[in-house]
Amino acid sequence: EAGVTQFPSHSVIEKGQTVTLRCDPISGHDNLYWYRRVMGKEIKFLLHFVKESKQDESGMPNNRFLAERTGGTYSTLKVQPAELEDSGVYFCASSSIPGHYNEQFFGPGTRLTVL
Amino acid sequence: AQSVTQLGSHVSVSEGALVLLRCNYSSSVPPYLFWYVQYPNQGLQLLLKYTSAATLVKGINGFEAEFKKSETSFHLTKPSAHMSDAAEYFCAVRGNNAGNMLTFGGGTRLMVKP
Repeated sequence: EAGVTQFPSHSVIEKGQTVTLRCDPISGHDNLYWYRRVMGKEIKFLLHFVKESKQDESGMPNNRFLAERTGGTYSTLKVQPAELEDSGVYFCASSSIPGHYNEQFFGPGTRLTVL
Repeated sequence: AQSVTQLGSHVSVSEGALVLLRCNYSSSVPPYLFWYVQYPNQGLQLLLKYTSAATLVKGINGFEAEFKKSETSFHLTKPSAHMSDAAEYFCAVRGNNAGNMLTFGGGTRLMVKP
């Protein structure tokens, strides 16, 4: 069974440009989460999808970030326009059910560098 | 609201020595606690989770953690470090909302010396 995959693994862009990150969850997982780790800081929650619906987007930093999950399969996270403080590692995770003990499976992350 | 504090961003041990990674949590409700490990160029992998069934939780690769409510701690231990244990370790607490997002500590990078 394939795990959570993320593309690209690395992205280097200039301030003001647009970047789109993609996450493919484990097949059949309705719950998809985005997290971010800024250099030297803890991993922080961004948002949670249940199928194609946004369940919780309380962690999204501002309206430059747009997440979608059309069809309830893969998800994209677009940053437009990118700022220096957006640099970090963006993780995606998925789970089959959101129960308290249910494990979230993480992808390897996308390292975003904004110059 | 939940929060997690990991004492020590870097820990260095000799191969064969005891590994102790510290985690303290703050939670207004009974916590659901996890330890994840990240090896280089890989995603986070679940080591173990506290489910309230037992205070001593055993995980993969010989790791275990003990839940101590009086100390609000969930420290991770391994009796004998192996070179392959070198990685970054994250303690996390799960929220009590419908989505159950994770709140992470800052991470501890474990280095194992030969």
